[in-house]
Amino acid sequence: AQSVSQHNHHVILSEAASLELGCNYSYGGTVNLFWYVQYPGQHLQLLLKYFSGDPLVKGIKGFEAEFIKSKFSFNLRKPSVQWSDTAEYFCAVNADTGRRALTFGSGTRLQVQP
Amino acid sequence: NAGVMQNPRHLVRRRGQEARLRCSPMKGHSHVYWYRQLPEEGLKFMVYLQKENIIDESGMPKERFSAEFPKEGPSILRIQQVVRGDSAAYFCASSPTGGRNEKLFFGSGTQLSVL
Repeated sequence: AQSVSQHNHHVILSEAASLELGCNYSYGGTVNLFWYVQYPGQHLQLLLKYFSGDPLVKGIKGFEAEFIKSKFSFNLRKPSVQWSDTAEYFCAVNADTGRRALTFGSGTRLQVQP
Repeated sequence: NAGVMQNPRHLVRRRGQEARLRCSPMKGHSHVYWYRQLPEEGLKFMVYLQKENIIDESGMPKERFSAEFPKEGPSILRIQQVVRGDSAAYFCASSPTGGRNEKLFFGSGTQLSVL
């Protein structure tokens, strides 16, 4: 069965610091990978997704993620965070077989201090 | 174009009562997913429905929980005889065709509190 691990539960950064949030999944086949963000008081929304092609994908608000198949990873990055990036970030996977619904990681709470 | 609408936003129930959570998907979407979020545990898949059909209910407890998505009207997640452990945020998401690489659109969730 597919599963997703996010190792950082809570990250605190200062504005302009670089960000990297880890995401590892367990599934050996073809996968579709997603990062969702939940800003305080809002619903989850898609940041970016990967399903084929260039393993470096760019999303909204300056975020990007790199799919490294050999490491089963899909880490999220941003070169310089802003206070407005304070939110909870969820990695999710959907494999080509088995459950059709997304499987989410436990989330990483990012706090950016001004 | 209205997004995914969930109501109520907050629901308080006493142990043993029933909870009904509603989800209206985005216009044109016929696929609905329910997730439960507990503190520090992320979103756990519960059930995936298409109009009038349950596609996957493997994440839903066998007892007390049920879900439906009728031809007309919202999707309903029903929890009978609630217990304190049912307290959580319940999120609904929808998509147009249920494709595996398709973006999900989420509602704002229903926070269920069981006293």
